[in-house]
Amino acid sequence: EIVLTQSPSTLSLSPGERATLSCRASQSVDSKFLAWYQQKPGQAPRLLIYSASRRAIGIPDRFSGGGSGTDFTLSISRLEPEDFAVYYCQQSGSSPSLIFGGGTKVEIK
Amino acid sequence: EVQLVESGGGLVQPGRSLRLSCAGFGFSFDDHAMHWVRQAPGKGLEWVAGISWNSGIIGYADSVKGRFTISRDNAKNSLYLQMNSLRPEDAALYYCAKDLNGAKYWGADYWGQGTLVTVSA
Repeated sequence: EIVLTQSPSTLSLSPGERATLSCRASQSVDSKFLAWYQQKPGQAPRLLIYSASRRAIGIPDRFSGGGSGTDFTLSISRLEPEDFAVYYCQQSGSSPSLIFGGGTKVEIK
Repeated sequence: EVQLVESGGGLVQPGRSLRLSCAGFGFSFDDHAMHWVRQAPGKGLEWVAGISWNSGIIGYADSVKGRFTISRDNAKNSLYLQMNSLRPEDAALYYCAKDLNGAKYWGADYWGQGTLVTVSA
């Protein structure tokens, strides 16, 4: 089964800076089924990006996704205070299933 | 407005059973696959089970296969998770989530607030 490895585990940045999060798959995956979520403490996850690069409804354009094959990225162009959270990538497995990465915490430096 | 409302969580002894429910509002429930995803305290997200719009495609995580059963009743806009032979490691906040797609699992665009399952003697 596919394993998704997210890096770094923690990213320490200041508001206004750019964040780049990585999600690496153990084998090539269909980018159509690659998604990114944001989760804040005490809240349910929120879908940010699906099909690797398509923003979900209501997601600001400072969030962007890219990549293909085994390497995918989530970028936040200019961090706002509300963007400090944990981010997860997710791929649909073949079983069928959903597979989540371990998460990247974006914290205030 | 899309809403997912979970219920049925609680404290249960190891080896016992629990049934979770999720009611969907504000969207065409029978057009979408649905999922249960859990999160243990301080841990990441773990997909538990998924079911396609017509119950034709069902999948389970290896950790729950043979013990948990996902089902849906489209007439009641409801999703269920029957959990048997519960273990301490099943303790988590269980989220109900709506998939973008009806059959193939694309990802979850709406989530409930979760229902807490505690497994302890």
